[in-house]
Amino acid sequence: AIQLTQSPSSLSASVGDRVTITCRASQAIGTDVGWYQQKSGKAPNLLIYDASNLQSGVPSRFSGSGSGTDFALTISSLQPEDFATYYCLQDSNFPFTFGPGTKVDIK
Amino acid sequence: EVQLVESGGGLVQPGRSLRLSCTASENTFDNFALHWVRQAPGKGLEWVSGISWNSGVIDYADSVKGRFTISRDDAKNSLYLQMSNLKTEDTALYYCVKAILYCNDGVCYDSWGQGTQVTVSS
Repeated sequence: AIQLTQSPSSLSASVGDRVTITCRASQAIGTDVGWYQQKSGKAPNLLIYDASNLQSGVPSRFSGSGSGTDFALTISSLQPEDFATYYCLQDSNFPFTFGPGTKVDIK
Repeated sequence: EVQLVESGGGLVQPGRSLRLSCTASENTFDNFALHWVRQAPGKGLEWVSGISWNSGVIDYADSVKGRFTISRDDAKNSLYLQMSNLKTEDTALYYCVKAILYCNDGVCYDSWGQGTQVTVSS
């Protein structure tokens, strides 16, 4: 199975900060990666698909990049509603796998 | 908006079985793959199982392979997860997901239920 690692596992940031979360795959998976945001007690919400495509309705401060084994989610200017946990997911091959998550909290 | 509603969760002893169901509010399962994803208390997301639109492709996470069986009945707009020989580490909130990460022509069909809690304990 393809393994995904994320870094950092957690970070503290201030409103207005630029934040980047990385996701690395154990083998090349093209652009078959998505990013989810999960707030406490809620189901995950899709932000980015195919590594860099923004889901409709998601603010443009979110962006995704990468291909092959290295991917990134960037929030250009962190807003109060962005404090949450973020997960990458690969759908290149069964079994699908999630990264372990990155918790973003308030500094 | 499509609503997915999971049911069938509960408290069960180790070694016992449980069957989860997921029903859609409207006839939208056709032509989409369906999945189960779980989240143990305080932990991250874990993909559990997926089934293709025609049930021709099915797979499981290694952690549940041989114990869980996924199936679908599109006539009933329903997805199922038969769980047997349950272990304490299967304790989690189980989400039903339609078309995980699937988007076409800028439209994403990715849709999650609110989950059903499974607790395995003696």
